[in-house]
Amino acid sequence: GAVVSQHPSWVICKSGTSVKIECRSLDFQATTMFWYRQFPKQSLMLMATSNEGSKATYEQGVEKDKFLINHASLTLSTLTVTSAHPEDSSFYICSASFFPPGSNEQFFGPGTRLTVL
Amino acid sequence: AQSVAQPEDQVNVAEGNPLTVKCTYSVSGNPYLFWYVQYPNRGLQFLLKYITGDNLVKGSYGFEAEFNKSQTSFHLKKPSALVSDSALYFCAVRDHMIYNQGGKLIFGQGTELSVKP
Repeated sequence: GAVVSQHPSWVICKSGTSVKIECRSLDFQATTMFWYRQFPKQSLMLMATSNEGSKATYEQGVEKDKFLINHASLTLSTLTVTSAHPEDSSFYICSASFFPPGSNEQFFGPGTRLTVL
Repeated sequence: AQSVAQPEDQVNVAEGNPLTVKCTYSVSGNPYLFWYVQYPNRGLQFLLKYITGDNLVKGSYGFEAEFNKSQTSFHLKKPSALVSDSALYFCAVRDHMIYNQGGKLIFGQGTELSVKP
């Protein structure tokens, strides 16, 4: 149980285009989802916390207009990278948590490799 | 402020030998502590967590971790390493008093474990 999927697993796009990444909890309802960015051999950097039906909470330094997050249902959150540039190339990982998230672990998706040409 | 430190970027172990991956933490209240493992180009997999109770926590794949409050440590251990244990390991902490942060995890920088035959 507690499986999280991401789609696509990898994407290559041209500079200036927008890319949408989906994160789904397959067998549980996730009131809270998290979006991370990871550079090679580095730790995960939390970008934003997404709660179903409300606006995402972005971490300091993360541009909310560039990284649009929508958590429309208890099983789906999307991250849209708008007007992507080569510096946005990275590994994007989502995670989901049961409610309440306090003592519960986060379940991670397999990640999406974004390459912007 | 919450923080997690993994003092070793890399740990090298011979197969069959015991392994230890170190983690120290800093939180204002009582911690929730987690260990995750990441294989190349994959998301994170949950290994184990400490919430309360017995200081020795047993997890997946034969791993265990010992919570030491006086040393603020939560080292990951395994009695006999396997080549397949080679991966990137992350320690993470959440302060159980900060519910308004929605369950945000703070990750260490990661330790690359290499197990040689």
